Formats: sequence, structure tokens, C-alpha cells
Amino acid sequence: QSVLTQPPSVSAAPGQKVTISCSGSSSNIGNNYVSWYKQLPGTAPKLLIYDNNQRPSGIPDRFSGSKSGTSATLGITGLQTGDEADYYCGTRDSSLSAGVFGGGTKLTVL
Amino acid sequence: EVQLVESGGGLVQPGRSLRLSCAASGFTFDDYAMHWVRQAPGKGLEWVSGISWNSGNTGYADSVKGRFTISRDTAKNSLYLQMNRLRAEDTALYFCARDMGPDLYYYYMDVWGKGTTVTVSS
Repeated sequence: QSVLTQPPSVSAAPGQKVTISCSGSSSNIGNNYVSWYKQLPGTAPKLLIYDNNQRPSGIPDRFSGSKSGTSATLGITGLQTGDEADYYCGTRDSSLSAGVFGGGTKLTVL
Repeated sequence: EVQLVESGGGLVQPGRSLRLSCAASGFTFDDYAMHWVRQAPGKGLEWVSGISWNSGNTGYADSVKGRFTISRDTAKNSLYLQMNRLRAEDTALYFCARDMGPDLYYYYMDVWGKGTTVTVSS
């Protein structure tokens, strides 16, 4: 059971938009910044979003992040087949003094 | 090129020990906190442990606290994870990851290695 809760799967058609939610509590998302990662099968995760809504160099603006209260959301517009992957949210948990991840969401581009 | 390369994984019996290493190159190792993250077969990511730039601050997941020890060697640009009293549930692909900052605060991991596999089985 992950500390952060994500839907197991989401799907959408190419060119459409999808959002992935990440729910936590005041000890993690509520009082810390959120990051998002993309993981293709058999590869290491890749940082997509940090500071709730900032994109590292090289990440297209099709990817966006937001946070409200104890929840965060990753948005992907103009879906492409290459976006099919597992997506994870992550943050710090102040009560645990530890890093925490969501359980991951598998994105299928139909 | 910024790179992290893990090593030291393998097959080990329950109750035994293993030491993972992560060799860093292409950046100033001293400037960044570092983490170990694992992924059990078919499962999601699990943060295991982190260490600040100067080793002054370390953290562990409850699942490994008291059994695993993280350390770093500036002279060798290397990160380590000493794993004792291993259990079947420690079986996973272990990733080394660089934090974007020097301390254990934000937990943003912007550089990852390819991982090393640990299998705990009799």
C-alpha cells in the first residue's frame, strides 16, 4: 500500500489530453513539493516535473503539473504513442522523514 | 556525460548480506544528495534510502531501517548501500539516483542509473 494514491490506469486517444491524479496527506503533498516521473518498460524512471509544476530542460510543454491541498495532478496534452508508460508521483513525507512514491499509473494511448 | 552505474547485485540467501555500489561521473558528486530506489518485479517504485551531500543527514524507509546502511565516498565519487539480514521481500531492481539539491529536502531525482538486480532466495 503506497503512501500516495494514484489510479492504476488511464487511457485516451492520440492527440487527446489526459490527467493523472496523486492523492496524499498533510504530511506529504500538503506541505511539500511534488515531482513526477515517467518509466518505460525495462528502463529507469525519468523526471518530468519538479516543484509541483516545473519542467526540467528537454521536457516538452505538453507535460504540466499542478497541486492543490493534499493532491497533485499531472497533465499530458497532444497524446502520442510514445507517452505510453508508467507514471509516478513522488514527494517528501515530513512525518516519516522519507521519500514516498505513488503506486504508479499505467497510461495507454488507444 | 552525467552517469550513474550501479553494481554489486546478485543472488543471495535470506539472512545474508550484500553491498551495492554506485559510481558517479560527469558531475561534482559533492554537490548533490543521493538516493537508492528499488522496484520489485512487476511492482512500483519504492524509495529505500537517501544521504545528503556531506553525509550529515541520512534517511531510510521503515521497511529497511535497522538493516540497510547508506554511505558515500567523495574521493571515489561513489554511493553505497550495505544490506544486512536480507529478506525475500528485498528482491528488486535497485536504482541509484541523484537529487537535484544537496540535502534531503525536495527528493527530486533527476539522474538515474540503470539499476542492479538483487534476488534473495534459498
